[in-house]
Amino acid sequence: KAGVTQTPRYLIKTRGQQVTLSCSPISGHRSVSWYQQTPGQGLQFLFEYFSETQRNKGNFPGRFSGRQFSNSRSEMNVSTLELGDSALYLCASSLGVRDREYEQYFGPGTRLTVT
Amino acid sequence: AQSVAQPEDQVNVAEGNPLTVKCTYSVSGNPYLFWYVQYPNRGLQFLLKYITGDNLVKGSYGFEAEFNKSQTSFHLKKPSALVSDSALYFCAVSGGLAGNMLTFGGGTRLMVKP
Repeated sequence: KAGVTQTPRYLIKTRGQQVTLSCSPISGHRSVSWYQQTPGQGLQFLFEYFSETQRNKGNFPGRFSGRQFSNSRSEMNVSTLELGDSALYLCASSLGVRDREYEQYFGPGTRLTVT
Repeated sequence: AQSVAQPEDQVNVAEGNPLTVKCTYSVSGNPYLFWYVQYPNRGLQFLLKYITGDNLVKGSYGFEAEFNKSQTSFHLKKPSALVSDSALYFCAVSGGLAGNMLTFGGGTRLMVKP
């Protein structure tokens, strides 16, 4: 099976712009989660989607949003970019409804740099 | 709220020696515990998990972890370290009211020297 894919892998944006990141989960996985990784804050949960519905949300401002399509592919959007949004954004997918028991499989991430 | 602590930023070990990477957790209800490894410029790779049952869990690449409920710990171990094990290791917990959300520790950099 193909793994989780994320596009683009690298992105450079200017403060104030917006950005959309894409994630394709492993085939058959219905849950997609997004995480932000920075040297200062570590790995932080952004949100999780399951069957096109946001099921969990982390403690991030409303500038961060996401959605999931019927084929389980997901996108996350960050509007009005700030320098502090520079990070590695990781997407993860998992199998099943009782997801706490199932490991999440991570994509390679999208490295976003805001200048 | 759930939390994970990895008390060591870095662990140094000689190749061939046993290694331990420490993790303690706090969660309401039954914990679901995971270890992930991250190599440079890569995403996280799943190593192993504890859901229920035997306190010693075996995972990928010869790694294992010991769940200790009384000490709320889930330490990662390997009997004989390889230079190629050098990477960043993350402990994570999922459970309680947080649904599928993983809460990660700060990570421990493992350096295995020849």
